[in-house]
Amino acid sequence: KNQVEQSPQSLIILEGKNCTLQCNYTVSPFSNLRWYKQDTGRGPVSLTIMTFSENTKSNGRYTATLDADTKQSSLHITASQLSDSASYICVVSSGGYQKVTFGIGTKLQVIP
Amino acid sequence: SAVISQKPSRDICQRGTSLTIQCQVDSQVTMMFWYRQQPGQSLTLIATANQGSEATYESGFVIDKFPISRPNLTFSTLTVSNMSPEDSSIYLCSVVPAGSADEQFFGPGTRLTVL
Repeated sequence: KNQVEQSPQSLIILEGKNCTLQCNYTVSPFSNLRWYKQDTGRGPVSLTIMTFSENTKSNGRYTATLDADTKQSSLHITASQLSDSASYICVVSSGGYQKVTFGIGTKLQVIP
Repeated sequence: SAVISQKPSRDICQRGTSLTIQCQVDSQVTMMFWYRQQPGQSLTLIATANQGSEATYESGFVIDKFPISRPNLTFSTLTVSNMSPEDSSIYLCSVVPAGSADEQFFGPGTRLTVL
């Protein structure tokens, strides 16, 4: 069964600090891995998309890494801001939008 | 990209009633989907909304409970029928724009509470 597991479930950090969120998956076959940010009461917004051949991708202060051999990904947030408070969802596709597995997400809270 | 709006943004409904959620996109899209996000759970695909034909439902979801319409390339509706408290959830419309490579966009969601 395809699964996406994220850790930690929740995280509280001080404004200005960095943090790293983890995603482990057992999805096969693998097409791409996406990270989304979901603000409370809003829909998910795409941060990065990585295919098998990519091992890092950045979007501003967000940097995602992918190790396709160990089936692990991480999302690193640099110099956190209060607006980074949200849930971050890891999504792995097996090819085709109907074959997408979502993680439960990591809830990040950035405090002053 | 695609800008997606959903109506209503939230609603509180009585058991046994039905609610229709609308999804409007600002551009033509090739694919439209409906998801459910229950509290503390990951997003679950309900169905693919097919333009001009019956939706394709995922395992565990049926047309009688979640009828879907998609009359054109920019609009779709999802009805949650004969609601029970277990249907309390966030319902999200999602699209893949024409010419998009792996980009999937989500609407703001409709937060439904069934009493």
